[in-house]
Amino acid sequence: QITLKESGPTLVKPTQTLTLTCTFSGFSLSSNGVGVGWIRQPPGKALEWLGVIYWNDDKRFSPSLKSRLTITKDTSKNQVVLTMTNMDPVDTATYYCAHSHLWEPVDYWGQGALVTVSS
Amino acid sequence: SVLTQPPSASGTPGQRVSISCSGSGSNIGSNTVTWYQQLPGTAPNLLIYSNNQRPSGVPDRFSGSKSGTSASLAISGLQSEDEADYYCAAWDDSLNGVVFGGGTELTVL
Repeated sequence: QITLKESGPTLVKPTQTLTLTCTFSGFSLSSNGVGVGWIRQPPGKALEWLGVIYWNDDKRFSPSLKSRLTITKDTSKNQVVLTMTNMDPVDTATYYCAHSHLWEPVDYWGQGALVTVSS
Repeated sequence: SVLTQPPSASGTPGQRVSISCSGSGSNIGSNTVTWYQQLPGTAPNLLIYSNNQRPSGVPDRFSGSKSGTSASLAISGLQSEDEADYYCAAWDDSLNGVVFGGGTELTVL
Protein backbone atom coordinates (compact mmCIF):
# COMPACT_ATOMS: atom_id res chain seq x y z
CA GLN A 1 0.00 0.00 0.00
CA ILE A 2 1.05 3.63 -0.42
CA THR A 3 2.66 5.27 2.59
CA LEU A 4 4.50 8.56 3.04
CA LYS A 5 6.30 10.04 6.01
CA GLU A 6 7.73 13.50 6.57
CA SER A 7 10.92 14.08 8.54
CA GLY A 8 12.91 17.13 9.52
CA PRO A 9 13.37 19.70 12.27
CA THR A 10 10.55 20.50 14.65
CA LEU A 11 11.95 23.94 15.48
CA VAL A 12 13.41 26.49 13.09
CA LYS A 13 14.63 30.02 13.84
CA PRO A 14 13.32 33.02 11.89
CA THR A 15 15.25 33.68 8.65
CA GLN A 16 16.56 30.10 8.58
CA THR A 17 15.91 27.61 5.79
CA LEU A 18 13.59 24.67 6.41
CA THR A 19 14.41 21.33 4.82
CA LEU A 20 11.85 18.53 5.01
CA THR A 21 12.21 15.05 3.56
CA CYS A 22 9.32 12.88 2.41
CA THR A 23 10.11 9.17 2.33
CA PHE A 24 7.54 7.06 0.56
CA SER A 25 6.76 3.49 -0.41
CA GLY A 26 4.16 1.65 -2.44
CA PHE A 27 4.71 3.62 -5.64
CA SER A 28 7.50 4.82 -7.89
CA LEU A 29 8.19 8.45 -8.71
CA SER A 30 9.51 7.31 -12.07
CA SER A 31 6.07 6.05 -13.12
CA ASN A 32 4.25 8.11 -15.73
CA GLY A 33 1.85 10.65 -14.23
CA VAL A 34 2.90 10.22 -10.61
CA GLY A 35 3.76 13.13 -8.36
CA VAL A 36 4.45 14.06 -4.74
CA GLY A 37 2.90 17.22 -3.39
CA TRP A 38 3.42 19.32 -0.28
CA ILE A 39 0.64 20.91 1.76
CA ARG A 40 0.76 22.76 5.06
CA GLN A 41 -1.76 23.60 7.76
CA PRO A 42 -1.16 26.28 10.40
CA PRO A 43 -2.62 25.38 13.81
CA GLY A 44 -6.40 25.69 13.70
CA LYS A 45 -6.40 26.88 10.09
CA ALA A 46 -7.11 25.55 6.62
CA LEU A 47 -4.96 23.49 4.28
CA GLU A 48 -2.61 25.36 1.95
CA TRP A 49 -1.06 23.76 -1.13
CA LEU A 50 2.66 24.48 -1.52
CA GLY A 51 3.79 22.64 -4.61
CA VAL A 52 4.29 19.36 -6.44
CA ILE A 53 7.03 17.50 -8.29
CA TYR A 54 6.19 14.96 -11.01
CA TRP A 55 7.86 11.85 -12.36
CA ASN A 56 9.38 13.84 -15.25
CA ASP A 57 10.82 16.48 -12.85
CA ASP A 58 8.15 18.99 -13.82
CA LYS A 59 7.31 21.19 -10.83
CA ARG A 60 4.50 23.54 -9.89
CA PHE A 61 4.46 25.93 -6.95
CA SER A 62 2.00 28.12 -5.10
CA PRO A 63 2.39 31.57 -6.69
CA SER A 64 2.55 33.26 -3.27
CA LEU A 65 5.43 31.07 -2.08
CA LYS A 66 7.21 30.24 -5.33
CA SER A 67 10.23 32.44 -4.64
CA ARG A 68 10.94 30.64 -1.36
CA LEU A 69 10.35 27.01 -2.37
CA THR A 70 12.45 24.28 -3.91
CA ILE A 71 11.33 20.68 -4.43
CA THR A 72 13.69 17.92 -5.52
CA LYS A 73 13.42 14.15 -5.85
CA ASP A 74 15.70 11.18 -5.43
CA THR A 75 13.93 8.38 -7.23
CA SER A 76 16.45 5.75 -6.16
CA LYS A 77 15.85 6.55 -2.49
CA ASN A 78 12.07 7.08 -2.84
CA GLN A 79 12.46 10.54 -1.34
CA VAL A 80 11.30 14.05 -2.09
CA VAL A 81 12.82 17.09 -0.39
CA LEU A 82 11.08 20.42 0.26
CA THR A 83 13.17 23.48 0.99
CA MET A 84 11.63 26.75 2.19
CA THR A 85 13.86 29.76 2.71
CA ASN A 86 13.57 32.76 5.03
CA MET A 87 11.25 31.10 7.54
CA ASP A 88 8.96 33.33 9.61
CA PRO A 89 6.73 32.61 12.63
CA VAL A 90 3.70 32.70 10.30
CA ASP A 91 5.16 29.62 8.59
CA THR A 92 4.52 27.60 11.76
CA ALA A 93 2.40 24.70 10.56
CA THR A 94 2.05 20.99 10.10
CA TYR A 95 3.67 20.13 6.78
CA TYR A 96 2.32 17.17 4.82
CA CYS A 97 3.61 15.35 1.78
CA ALA A 98 1.17 13.37 -0.34
CA HIS A 99 0.94 11.22 -3.45
CA SER A 100 -0.74 12.73 -6.49
CA HIS A 101 -1.49 12.22 -10.15
CA LEU A 102 -0.79 14.68 -12.93
CA TRP A 103 -2.87 17.84 -12.60
CA GLU A 104 -4.96 16.36 -9.78
CA PRO A 105 -5.24 17.07 -6.06
CA VAL A 106 -3.40 14.67 -3.79
CA ASP A 107 -4.83 11.39 -2.59
CA TYR A 108 -2.65 9.53 -0.07
CA TRP A 109 -1.22 11.70 2.75
CA GLY A 110 1.68 11.40 5.13
CA GLN A 111 1.11 11.78 8.85
CA GLY A 112 2.45 15.33 8.85
CA ALA A 113 5.33 17.07 10.61
CA LEU A 114 4.78 20.03 12.91
CA VAL A 115 7.34 22.77 12.34
CA THR A 116 7.51 25.70 14.74
CA VAL A 117 9.30 28.88 13.77
CA SER A 118 10.55 30.70 16.83
CA SER A 119 13.68 32.31 18.14
CA SER B 1 -9.25 30.43 0.11
CA VAL B 2 -9.89 30.18 -3.61
CA LEU B 3 -12.72 27.67 -3.08
CA THR B 4 -15.52 28.79 -0.80
CA GLN B 5 -17.04 26.50 1.82
CA PRO B 6 -19.35 27.29 4.73
CA PRO B 7 -17.26 27.40 7.91
CA SER B 8 -19.64 25.13 9.78
CA ALA B 9 -22.44 22.62 9.35
CA SER B 10 -24.39 20.47 11.76
CA GLY B 11 -26.94 17.71 11.95
CA THR B 12 -28.41 15.11 14.24
CA PRO B 13 -27.64 11.39 14.04
CA GLY B 14 -29.38 9.77 11.10
CA GLN B 15 -29.90 13.06 9.31
CA ARG B 16 -28.57 14.00 5.87
CA VAL B 17 -26.24 16.99 5.63
CA SER B 18 -24.72 18.68 2.63
CA ILE B 19 -21.56 20.80 2.37
CA SER B 20 -21.06 23.12 -0.59
CA CYS B 21 -17.88 24.16 -2.37
CA SER B 22 -17.95 27.09 -4.76
CA GLY B 23 -15.23 27.91 -7.25
CA SER B 24 -14.75 29.35 -10.71
CA GLY B 25 -14.27 28.34 -14.30
CA SER B 26 -10.52 27.85 -13.89
CA ASN B 27 -10.84 25.29 -11.11
CA ILE B 28 -14.13 23.46 -10.45
CA GLY B 29 -15.52 24.51 -13.82
CA SER B 30 -12.62 22.86 -15.66
CA ASN B 31 -11.40 20.08 -13.39
CA THR B 32 -12.59 17.41 -11.03
CA VAL B 33 -13.25 17.97 -7.33
CA THR B 34 -11.73 16.06 -4.44
CA TRP B 35 -13.04 15.92 -0.87
CA TYR B 36 -11.11 15.14 2.30
CA GLN B 37 -12.15 14.32 5.85
CA GLN B 38 -9.87 15.43 8.65
CA LEU B 39 -10.59 13.96 12.06
CA PRO B 40 -9.26 15.92 15.04
CA GLY B 41 -5.50 15.66 15.38
CA THR B 42 -5.01 13.56 12.26
CA ALA B 43 -3.95 14.01 8.66
CA PRO B 44 -6.63 14.56 6.00
CA ASN B 45 -8.05 11.41 4.46
CA LEU B 46 -9.32 11.05 0.89
CA LEU B 47 -13.12 10.84 0.88
CA ILE B 48 -14.23 11.55 -2.69
CA TYR B 49 -12.21 11.92 -5.91
CA SER B 50 -13.15 12.71 -9.49
CA ASN B 51 -16.28 14.55 -8.26
CA ASN B 52 -18.19 11.49 -7.11
CA GLN B 53 -15.90 8.47 -6.76
CA ARG B 54 -15.35 6.83 -3.39
CA PRO B 55 -12.06 5.09 -2.58
CA SER B 56 -12.43 1.59 -1.23
CA GLY B 57 -13.26 1.66 2.45
CA VAL B 58 -15.29 4.88 2.33
CA PRO B 59 -18.92 4.17 3.26
CA ASP B 60 -21.55 4.81 0.61
CA ARG B 61 -23.15 7.26 3.05
CA PHE B 62 -20.71 9.75 1.55
CA SER B 63 -21.43 11.06 -1.94
CA GLY B 64 -20.16 13.88 -4.10
CA SER B 65 -21.58 15.84 -6.98
CA LYS B 66 -20.56 18.72 -9.24
CA SER B 67 -22.48 21.19 -11.33
CA GLY B 68 -20.83 24.01 -13.21
CA THR B 69 -18.47 25.82 -10.85
CA SER B 70 -19.86 24.32 -7.65
CA ALA B 71 -19.61 20.98 -5.93
CA SER B 72 -21.29 19.37 -2.98
CA LEU B 73 -20.56 16.66 -0.45
CA ALA B 74 -23.52 14.84 1.05
CA ILE B 75 -23.48 12.66 4.12
CA SER B 76 -26.54 10.56 4.77
CA GLY B 77 -27.33 8.63 7.93
CA LEU B 78 -25.12 10.98 9.94
CA GLN B 79 -23.07 9.32 12.68
CA SER B 80 -21.14 10.73 15.61
CA GLU B 81 -17.87 9.57 14.08
CA ASP B 82 -18.53 11.84 11.08
CA GLU B 83 -17.72 14.84 13.28
CA ALA B 84 -14.67 16.28 11.52
CA ASP B 85 -13.42 19.01 9.22
CA TYR B 86 -14.17 18.58 5.51
CA TYR B 87 -12.17 20.17 2.70
CA CYS B 88 -12.73 20.40 -1.04
CA ALA B 89 -9.91 20.78 -3.55
CA ALA B 90 -9.37 21.08 -7.28
CA TRP B 91 -6.64 21.83 -9.79
CA ASP B 92 -6.70 25.45 -10.94
CA ASP B 93 -5.63 26.06 -14.54
CA SER B 94 -4.93 29.76 -13.98
CA LEU B 95 -2.84 29.33 -10.83
CA ASN B 96 -1.28 26.14 -12.21
CA GLY B 97 -1.70 24.37 -8.92
CA VAL B 98 -4.12 22.87 -6.41
CA VAL B 99 -6.59 25.10 -4.57
CA PHE B 100 -8.38 24.18 -1.36
CA GLY B 101 -11.55 25.33 0.29
CA GLY B 102 -11.38 26.92 3.72
CA GLY B 103 -12.84 23.82 5.34
CA THR B 104 -16.18 23.06 6.97
CA GLU B 105 -16.39 21.94 10.58
CA LEU B 106 -19.18 19.37 10.89
CA THR B 107 -20.82 18.96 14.28
CA VAL B 108 -23.08 16.03 15.07
CA LEU B 109 -25.56 17.30 17.64
